[in-house]
Amino acid sequence: GAVVSQHPSWVICKSGTSVKIECRSLDFQATTMFWYRQFPKQSLMLMATSNEGSKATYEQGVEKDKFLINHASLTLSTLTVTSAHPEDSSFYICSADFEGRGTEAFFGQGTRLTVV
Amino acid sequence: AQSVTQLGSHVSVSEGALVLLRCNYSSSVPPYLFWYVQYPNQGLQLLLKYTTGATLVKGINGFEAEFKKSETSFHLTKPSAHMSDAAEYFCAVSEAGTASKLTFGTGTRLQVTL
Repeated sequence: GAVVSQHPSWVICKSGTSVKIECRSLDFQATTMFWYRQFPKQSLMLMATSNEGSKATYEQGVEKDKFLINHASLTLSTLTVTSAHPEDSSFYICSADFEGRGTEAFFGQGTRLTVV
Repeated sequence: AQSVTQLGSHVSVSEGALVLLRCNYSSSVPPYLFWYVQYPNQGLQLLLKYTTGATLVKGINGFEAEFKKSETSFHLTKPSAHMSDAAEYFCAVSEAGTASKLTFGTGTRLQVTL
């Protein structure tokens, strides 16, 4: 199956700093990628839809200035958590739409962010 | 708007017993339905999906699910549980025509005991 690589798998940062998470589709083009957030023992909540070459679409309640998304190529989307605070600590997971077909989403391994 | 309800946040079964994880959905348009499995600190792996056609869908690792429109359900079953099935299971729905933007249920943790 198609592979989506997410990096880093875990990161610890100090409060007030920014953290960038990368999501790459390794063997297919992904015009659309999605970013989800998962709090401990909870479900995945869609944060935003990332479209190659255009602005991301954020879900209601998600601060676009805090969670910066860039989708500069057909195989890479990045999520930057700016001025991170302890409440931003969470598991972030990306998924990629398989070649824009809308037939299946492939998920990255996730990134565990801990803000201290 | 779409939503998913998974009944039972924790399910415990004995090894070799039937696994039944419940999922009900709400959708104003024809849905696509999915079951994903998540192991600790990992991403999600697709078990199976229903898009169109046959309502009984077979997936990996011996799992299957049946789409019942009249009951708005998509319950996941496996005839005989293995220890390796212990994980978190998520039911998800998307609008027909796109299988990539998903709304997830709250998840069910499956415990398999000896």
